[in-house]
Amino acid sequence: EAGVVQSPRYKIIEKKQPVAFWCNPISGHNTLYWYLQNLGQGPELLIRYENEEAVDDSQLPKDRFSAERLKGVDSTLKIQPAELGDSAVYLCASSLDYGLAGYTGELFFGEGSRLTVL
Amino acid sequence: GQNIDQPTEMTATEGAIVQINCTYQTSGFNGLFWYQQHAGEAPTFLSYNVLDGLEEKGRFSSFLSRSKGYSYLLLKELQMKDSASYLCAVREGQAGTALIFGKGTTLSVSS
Repeated sequence: EAGVVQSPRYKIIEKKQPVAFWCNPISGHNTLYWYLQNLGQGPELLIRYENEEAVDDSQLPKDRFSAERLKGVDSTLKIQPAELGDSAVYLCASSLDYGLAGYTGELFFGEGSRLTVL
Repeated sequence: GQNIDQPTEMTATEGAIVQINCTYQTSGFNGLFWYQQHAGEAPTFLSYNVLDGLEEKGRFSSFLSRSKGYSYLLLKELQMKDSASYLCAVREGQAGTALIFGKGTTLSVSS
């Protein structure tokens, strides 16, 4: 079974340019997350979707960041315009929020999209 | 507020045992997770504790004390491939709620 797929793996842009990241979660996973990870730090949540509904976007800088998950499957995260401080790894994760007894509900992560803003 | 603390760096030698501690203060608690992340790769799930006690899985074990807000990850028979960052994360709400991560502990294993 395929894992969480993200693209592009690497992106280098100049400041003020737009950029978009794409994520395809594990088939059947209803919850999708976008996290930001700076070098030497743990992942920080940007937004969480349950199916196509954004249920937690309190940490998303809405002046420049936007996200969508139109059909409740794959998702895009956009930054416009990018700033120098946006250089980081953008991680997508997915999970099932239900399962058999003992199910942990762990998150499955993609390999991330590494953004460098010059 | 939310606070998850773990040491920044640890070093150990092959074959040894290492314990990585994690303390947390969160508004709710519904499970503690440990993830392993090699440089440039995705975090991968290692262990999950929701009740007090020790969970053992091969060379890795994880312990939880909810009253103390404390967990540790124990790695036995260390191998070079265990050099990675180890992330402690807490889930505050029901399944599906986002995990809150600590900053990670970078473990370096030498021969």
